[in-house]
Parts: sequence; structure tokens; C-alpha cells
Amino acid sequence: DARVTQTPRHKVTEMGQEVTMRCQPILGHNTVFWYRQTMMQGLELLAYFRNRAPLDDSGMPKDRFSAEMPDATLATLKIQPSEPRDSAVYFCASGQAGQVGGQYFGPGTRLLVL
Amino acid sequence: RKEVEQDPGPFNVPEGATVAFNCTYSNSASQSFFWYRQDCRKEPKLLMSVYSSGNEDGRFTAQLNRASQYISLLIRDSKLSDSATYLCVVMASWGKLQFGAGTQVVVTP
Repeated sequence: DARVTQTPRHKVTEMGQEVTMRCQPILGHNTVFWYRQTMMQGLELLAYFRNRAPLDDSGMPKDRFSAEMPDATLATLKIQPSEPRDSAVYFCASGQAGQVGGQYFGPGTRLLVL
Repeated sequence: RKEVEQDPGPFNVPEGATVAFNCTYSNSASQSFFWYRQDCRKEPKLLMSVYSSGNEDGRFTAQLNRASQYISLLIRDSKLSDSATYLCVVMASWGKLQFGAGTQVVVTP
């Protein structure tokens, strides 16, 4: 049963610290997405990659967030420096471009910035 | 105005009853439509795609009305395990999903 995996599942950090979240997409999927979910804003698309190339990061605060895909099996989302307003659940999802059927989400990283 | 709007609920449904709810979307160029289900503190999971002709998956029926730009989901013979938040999802171009805020369904014994 192929799944998207994310680490860490939970992260508590202090304001100003760097946070790195990792995602392993489903093998064979060529598109990877980063979402953020909060009670106030719901699910927001931060960035996505196709074949490891960034396609759209317009949803991401540019000054402190960065997303990369160093290889086909790893996507990273970094926040530096973190702020309390970054507290949210960060989901990674993957899919295969052109295929009908939506995206498959990982379990999320629950981030709390104090 | 949000691109995808849903009634947040909650819809309180007795076990065995039928519940239906809609969502509306603003982008008439939207190409694909989905319902996702999200349980408390879990990730969204794809429930079903929504096709123009309407489609059924067991107790779940989805309908799409392009002219009026709304999508509906009907759940028949509700089970306790159907309690969740149902997210309406619209895709204008492949990959860029717009999520509604979700409709909460609570099935009671």
C-alpha cells in the first residue's frame, strides 16, 4: 500500500529557530505539493514541484520559507526563522500529472512555534 | 469571496439516514472536481472524483452541475464511521487544487 511519508510528525520549537520538514512521495508520482492547514485559513497550497522542478510557490512567504526537491524521493520545506504564526499542520501530497484521481496526502507535520 | 464555498455544518444525522450537501465554486474554467474526507487530526483522503454525468460509489453519490457551478454529495444509510469533515475540491489546472473549508457531518446512534 503506497503512501506519502512525512517527518517529523510533530515539532515544537521556539520562535527564530529553523524548521525542516521532509516528505517522501509515492514512488512513481512526478508531482509533489506542500500545503498548510490552519483553523482560520483551511488548506492552502504553498508550493508544488513537477519532475523535481518548482512550478509554483506563489502561496509561500518568500522571505522565510523555502521548498526544494533534492531528488525524486525527497521533498523538503524549510522555515527560517520560524514565527508563532507559522504554527499549523503542514501536509505533503503527491500525484501523477495528467492522471485523474486527485492527490494523495501524507500524515502531516504538526508544527508549534512558541 | 472564496473560490470554493461550503456550508460548514455540522450536519447531525441519525444512523441510517440520508444526508446531502453542496458546495459552489467560482471558477467556470474548473476542470476536475473531487470530494475528500478528513477525519479529526488526520490527513485529507480522496473519497471520490465527481463526473459531469454524476457518479456513485457504494452509499455515496456525487453530482456536478456546471451551469450552476455546484457539486453535491449524498450519503445514504449513514454509518457512525461516516462522521468526518467532507472537503469539496476543485481543480482549474492540473495540480492546483482549491479546497473548500469543509462540511462537518456527525452521525449519531
